[in-house]
Amino acid sequence: AQSVTQLGSHVSVSEGALVLLRCNYSSSVPPYLFWYVQYPNQGLQLLLKYTTGATLVKGINGFEAEFKKSETSFHLTKPSAHMSDAAEYFCAVSEKGNTPLVFGKGTRLSVIA
Amino acid sequence: GAVVSQHPSWVICKSGTSVKIECRSLDFQATTMFWYRQFPKQSLMLMATSNEGSKATYEQGVEKDKFLINHASLTLSTLTVTSAHPEDSSFYICSARDLETQYFGPGTRLLVL
Repeated sequence: AQSVTQLGSHVSVSEGALVLLRCNYSSSVPPYLFWYVQYPNQGLQLLLKYTTGATLVKGINGFEAEFKKSETSFHLTKPSAHMSDAAEYFCAVSEKGNTPLVFGKGTRLSVIA
Repeated sequence: GAVVSQHPSWVICKSGTSVKIECRSLDFQATTMFWYRQFPKQSLMLMATSNEGSKATYEQGVEKDKFLINHASLTLSTLTVTSAHPEDSSFYICSARDLETQYFGPGTRLLVL
């Protein structure tokens, strides 16, 4: 069975600082990995995804993530945080894209001015 | 990009009534759609997988007679909460799969009085 662990339910950074949100997964087959962002009272917006190929993937709003098979990780980063980045972030995994997403518990990102 | 809409975005109803929520994929056809429920400050809980033209697959613990799902076309799935009670109050989010990626609707906030 697949699972996702997001380390840190709440991360707080200063505006302009590096954002690092951690995600580790468990999967018996090559995973498809996703990061979504959720603003209050809204649905989820796809930030980026890894399916195959290049392990460093770039997404919207300046975010990127690197798939590291040896570490079973897919951490999300952004060089410089903006106030508008404050939201809930979810990491998710699926089995070759054919199975429902399995979500982590989410990490709430706060950005301090 | 792929867009998924939900209607209504907000609904308040009396206990015992039924509520129908629509989920539409606007610019792609979705053989598979998913329905999730989200409690405050928690992750998404998969309720059911909806496949066009066939019966939905419900997750363990989800009452299929209470949460009726219909996926009659490649762009529309509906969730009907039958005989709603206050404990059904929640944020319901649908998603539609386009190839290996799930795209999410904006969610429907249900309040049962």
